[in-house]
Amino acid sequence: AQSVTQLGSHVSVSEGALVLLRCNYSSSVPPYLFWYVQYPNQGLQLLLKYTTGATLVKGINGFEAEFKKSETSFHLTKPSAHMSDAAEYFCAVSSLDSNYQLIWGAGTKLIIKP
Amino acid sequence: EAQVTQNPRYLITVTGKKLTVTCSQNMNHEYMSWYRQDPGLGLRQIYYSMNVEVTDKGDVPEGYKVSRKEKRNFPLILESPSPNQTSLYFCASGRNYGYTFGSGTRLTVV
Repeated sequence: AQSVTQLGSHVSVSEGALVLLRCNYSSSVPPYLFWYVQYPNQGLQLLLKYTTGATLVKGINGFEAEFKKSETSFHLTKPSAHMSDAAEYFCAVSSLDSNYQLIWGAGTKLIIKP
Repeated sequence: EAQVTQNPRYLITVTGKKLTVTCSQNMNHEYMSWYRQDPGLGLRQIYYSMNVEVTDKGDVPEGYKVSRKEKRNFPLILESPSPNQTSLYFCASGRNYGYTFGSGTRLTVV
């Protein structure tokens, strides 16, 4: 069965610092991987996705993620945090195993310190 | 504009009074799904539909019903709401390459 683990329910970084949100997955077949962002009192928005091809994926708002098959990871990074990045971030995986339904991580709340 | 539209955005109701949350998508997606989001529990799938007239239970289907009579619409029905169904609900459509979510419905059952 597939699963997604996000390390850290809360991550706090200073404005201007590197953002690193960790996501590890398990899948016995090639996965599709996603990061979604949820700003306060809003719905979920697709930040970026990996399906096939280049393993470094760039998304909106300066975020990127790298698919590392050997580490079964898809960590989300941003070189310099802005106050507007404060939100909850969800990692998700889908594949043929799940009939392409999304399997969700528990979410990581990103806190930006001034 | 491609979107998933949920209504209402906010709803306060009383225990036992039947309600329907509507969901409509304009992207011709075959797949649609309902989730609830609760603090500390993340997103949990209620029901999903692979296509018209095809629906299946998700992880937390108890107390909910759905129907998929046409491709664009996927309403969520609470026949007899209870306070433990107070939650934030999201409809989503699409599948292989990522879902598009509605803006959410915040339901309070008193």
